[in-house]
Amino acid sequence: QVQLVESGGGVVQPGGSLRLSCAASGFTFRIYVMHWVRQAPGKGLEWVAAIWDDGTNKQYADSVKGRFTISRDNSKNSLYLQVNSPRAEDTAVYYCTRGIGEMQLGDYWGQGALVTVSS
Amino acid sequence: QSALTQPASVSGSPGQSITISCTGTSSDVGGSKYVSWYQQHPGKAPKLLIYDVSTRPPGVSNRFSGSKSGNTASLTISGVQAEDEADYYCNSYTTPSTPKWIFGGGTKLTVL
Repeated sequence: QVQLVESGGGVVQPGGSLRLSCAASGFTFRIYVMHWVRQAPGKGLEWVAAIWDDGTNKQYADSVKGRFTISRDNSKNSLYLQVNSPRAEDTAVYYCTRGIGEMQLGDYWGQGALVTVSS
Repeated sequence: QSALTQPASVSGSPGQSITISCTGTSSDVGGSKYVSWYQQHPGKAPKLLIYDVSTRPPGVSNRFSGSKSGNTASLTISGVQAEDEADYYCNSYTTPSTPKWIFGGGTKLTVL
């Protein structure tokens, strides 16, 4: 069965850095677009970033562009999100989710990883 | 780009039908074949209910249906049940020069 398991969450200081990982299993990871979606405490869902199957095409929300980097290692069935220069408003649960074709997201979701930006 | 517009809350009694709207623009909902809906219970990850505007994934109850007219997409739940009480989110692929995805602000469904 499809499984997505995030790790790497925790407390990070403003201006620091952190890397989230998502381990995928139960499907052919290398052929899927993958996304990160986040949810601030008590708030709605926000799309963060997407990466195409071969890793050459990446897209970011304007709110994180230039600070976050999405990447993948198809040999390890893993997705990553490098979070640099985080701000208080980046505090959220971060979900990795599988794409539906190239134009939609979210047929499978991980359990989420909480990132708290605080000094 | 602002979030798609959803009502903050809707309510219904068991057995009733309810509809949740999701309003965007011609650059997202109105111009896209790719609208999806998700259900989220407290403390849980979202669950896909509808994609491609009106397609249900395997295992999703046929009580959930989706549609679109102009810049507004809709999710209808027929015969609301207690376990349907949750938050619901719409999502659309946008059609500017670079691909993006945008969520609605979310709707809390209360089953009376």
